[in-house]
Amino acid sequence: DTGVSQDPRHKITKRGQNVTFRCDPISEHNRLYWYRQTLGQGPEFLTYFQNEAQLEKSRLLSDRFSAERPKGSFSTLEIQRTEQGDSAMYLCASSLSSGPLGAQYFGPGTRLTVT
Amino acid sequence: AQKITQTQPGMFVQEKEAVTLDCTYDTSDPSYGLFWYKQPSSGEMIFLIYQGSYDQQNATEGRYSLNFQKARKSANLVISASQLGDSAMYFCAMREGNGGSQGNLIFGKGTKLSVKP
Repeated sequence: DTGVSQDPRHKITKRGQNVTFRCDPISEHNRLYWYRQTLGQGPEFLTYFQNEAQLEKSRLLSDRFSAERPKGSFSTLEIQRTEQGDSAMYLCASSLSSGPLGAQYFGPGTRLTVT
Repeated sequence: AQKITQTQPGMFVQEKEAVTLDCTYDTSDPSYGLFWYKQPSSGEMIFLIYQGSYDQQNATEGRYSLNFQKARKSANLVISASQLGDSAMYFCAMREGNGGSQGNLIFGKGTKLSVKP
């Protein structure tokens, strides 16, 4: 049984650099979500996909952020020109769209530190 | 306006005792779902339990139960027979709409539970 996986688990980068994170959802799940979590807070929604279509984006997702899910399977989240305020845990989750439950299952997260 | 409120930043409980973690929510949507997640120090969010707004009975899942009081807009998590491994952050979350266009979860700030031996 393979859960949601994320890569890398940790990333340290210098301000101004670009970073890319990958998320592999549970194989039969058609929905994929990205969240950001800062210290002492709950996760905040960034964006989500149903299959390859990006259906919703939060206002938190500035122009420097872009997410893709080209074949409806794995997804990437890219941050361009990173800033220190981007330091956070980036969480990916997946779910099935059918049914009222639709529980989201999370990956282990990618912890980004911008120096 | 804050949609999910968890008023207890931290809680202590003795091992083997029960503990209740509070959660209140705010929504005007008649159809919504409420979730509880556990986040150990390792960072992964673990789904615990779900309550739908139209569910007549309180949800239960092993040692976890959800005390759903719709009129009060509260969805408290009850953990029975606490174990040392229950020490973690606990997040209450809500999804508005019945898995339709509003797919994302809205989380509270969490409660840190510490189980004492």
